[in-house]
Amino acid sequence: ETGVTQSPTHLIKTRGQQVTLRCSSQSGHNTVSWYQQALGQGPQFIFQYYREEENGRGNFPPRFSGLQFPNYSSELNVNALELDDSALYLCASSLSPGGFTYYGYTFGSGTRLTVV
Amino acid sequence: KQEVTQIPAALSVPEGENLVLNCSFTDSAIYNLQWFRQDPGKGLTSLLLIQSSQREQTSGRLNASLDKSSGRSTLYIAASQPGDSATYLCAVTLRTGANNLFFGTGTRLTVIP
Repeated sequence: ETGVTQSPTHLIKTRGQQVTLRCSSQSGHNTVSWYQQALGQGPQFIFQYYREEENGRGNFPPRFSGLQFPNYSSELNVNALELDDSALYLCASSLSPGGFTYYGYTFGSGTRLTVV
Repeated sequence: KQEVTQIPAALSVPEGENLVLNCSFTDSAIYNLQWFRQDPGKGLTSLLLIQSSQREQTSGRLNASLDKSSGRSTLYIAASQPGDSATYLCAVTLRTGANNLFFGTGTRLTVIP
């Protein structure tokens, strides 16, 4: 059983650019969530996809967008990058019977994004 | 809005000591609570998951308890080891909404050999 894998592991972008982060969910999981973790803080919820539909979103602007594919992998896209977008981006997957995460979440190792 | 607080923010103990990490949450209508470990610059490793109907879960030297009515959870680590040094995060999901995780800011644990 493979876990959650994220790519790339590190990324440096210039303010104003666009970035795409990728996540492969754990085998058998149907829900993918994305979190942003600033230095010294707990992760903050960005959005969640269940069966390829966005089914929840945190307090993030529309320039943060995402996709979930039929194989349950996912992308996080961020447009018009700002310096404050520098953070660790975490992907989590879960098996959600009926849409509820009864079995908890499994996280990937994250992508460290630096915006200069 | 669910607020999750973890106390203390940092803790330093000698090897072999038993310790307790605390987590409190404001909305008691949780679905479950999960404790995670995070090594510096790394992702999250799930330690224990407690459903809202459960009182505690155990895994090896770790024991987590849940008192939903008072909005509290504790993570007990027995016979601490230097390898336990990490940041410990608790997170809850609610019964409503997207069932996403609400995290505390974590407790940074250092176990001194």
